[in-house]
Amino acid sequence: QSALTQPASVSGSPGQSITISCTGTSSDVGAYNYVSWYQQHPGKAPKLMIYEVSNRPSGVSNRFSGSKSGNTASLTISGLQAEDEADYYCSSYTSSSSLVFGGGTKMTVL
Amino acid sequence: QITLKESGPTLVKPTQTLTLTCLFSGFSLTSSGVGVGWIRQPPGKALEWLAFIYYNDDKRYSPSLRSRLTITKDTSKNQVVLTMTNMDPVDTGTYYCVHPKRRFPALDDWGQGTLVGVSS
Repeated sequence: QSALTQPASVSGSPGQSITISCTGTSSDVGAYNYVSWYQQHPGKAPKLMIYEVSNRPSGVSNRFSGSKSGNTASLTISGLQAEDEADYYCSSYTSSSSLVFGGGTKMTVL
Repeated sequence: QITLKESGPTLVKPTQTLTLTCLFSGFSLTSSGVGVGWIRQPPGKALEWLAFIYYNDDKRYSPSLRSRLTITKDTSKNQVVLTMTNMDPVDTGTYYCVHPKRRFPALDDWGQGTLVGVSS
């Protein structure tokens, strides 16, 4: 099971919007609406930000949104804030009833 | 309030078997749809899913690690145990216990993680 493909890094200025892509295959991202996104600050456990492609858990800012087209999912963060600087990971359910993560994206607020 | 806490050795030798325990509270692993899983993260690297066990003892494993993993539950103790055989230095990392509030694979709740090193 190959990892999902994410850009190694993205950056943006406060107030701007950024988008992180997550590319899989027709056996994972393209096959199911079970894509999740996690935020991880240094030394902390990951936090669920988006589930089932575009749903936000209670308490997650509406500045975070998710979408999917074909085999690629995306996480958009609007109105960038300093506290958004973190690593972001996507994940997807797979046709082998397993879970696969992306390689992670380091998001820097300039 | 849901909590999960991992425990186990901080250091194991190559070829040894690792046994990790997740002690959880705030939910019951006997309730329909409920499950608990394990994720690991090597230092400075990406997350990797390992295993998941459902309330009905249905189990799921990472295809690449299936032969080395066993996940079990003890509902009377609110514990889930993960064993990984034939440990290697590449298995060094932080191991997290996880729980989805809705359903797998959306992992809402995470333990603090436990760091395991593999070295002779």
